[in-house]
Amino acid sequence: DAGVIQSPRHEVTEMGQEVTLRCKPISGHDYLFWYRQTMMRGLELLIYFNNNVPIDDSGMPEDRFSAKMPNASFSTLKIQPSEPRDSAVYFCASSPKNPGQHNYGYTFGSGTRLTVV
Amino acid sequence: ILNVEQSPQSLHVQEGDSTNFTCSFPSSNFYALHWYRWETAKSPEALFVMTLNGDEKKKGRISATLNTKEGYSYLYIKGSQPEDSATYLCALSDAGNNRKLIWGLGTSLAVNP
Repeated sequence: DAGVIQSPRHEVTEMGQEVTLRCKPISGHDYLFWYRQTMMRGLELLIYFNNNVPIDDSGMPEDRFSAKMPNASFSTLKIQPSEPRDSAVYFCASSPKNPGQHNYGYTFGSGTRLTVV
Repeated sequence: ILNVEQSPQSLHVQEGDSTNFTCSFPSSNFYALHWYRWETAKSPEALFVMTLNGDEKKKGRISATLNTKEGYSYLYIKGSQPEDSATYLCALSDAGNNRKLIWGLGTSLAVNP
């Protein structure tokens, strides 16, 4: 299994531009999570999906952020318009069950390092 | 607001030294405690998921203990090697918080050869 696949690995964009981050979870994993990692706040859960349905998006910082999961093998996180404070590493993770409710861990992707200038 | 704290923030040891660090968390509504290992330029990798008070888990030279009554977990590394250099993260699953994982900021370990 190739694991959780994220693209791109690095993204540099100008303030105001739209940014789309992509994730392919592990086949058979019913849960998909988007996290943001910064030095100051550590790992923050943005949103998670169960069977392609968004379950909890309370961590999405503002309306500029949106996430979709059109099918079991693909999810996107979009920021429009992007701002310098959005600069962070964005991780996608998947799991066969919800790690918060079962004794399962996440499998994380390699992350996308986003820099907004 | 739930807070998961890890100490120390960073640690430098010599190859061969044994070391340990701490994850502290609120003991009420405890459900599970997760440990992850995060090497630079890679993604976090699950080490342990612990649920029972007094539980001890081991993976090679790395082991972890859990005290849910007093709200802490220790991670031990025996005979540290340079390849153990990484950030070690813990995360709490809280039964009263919709079972979301709440993450600590990590302990950054550097093992000098």
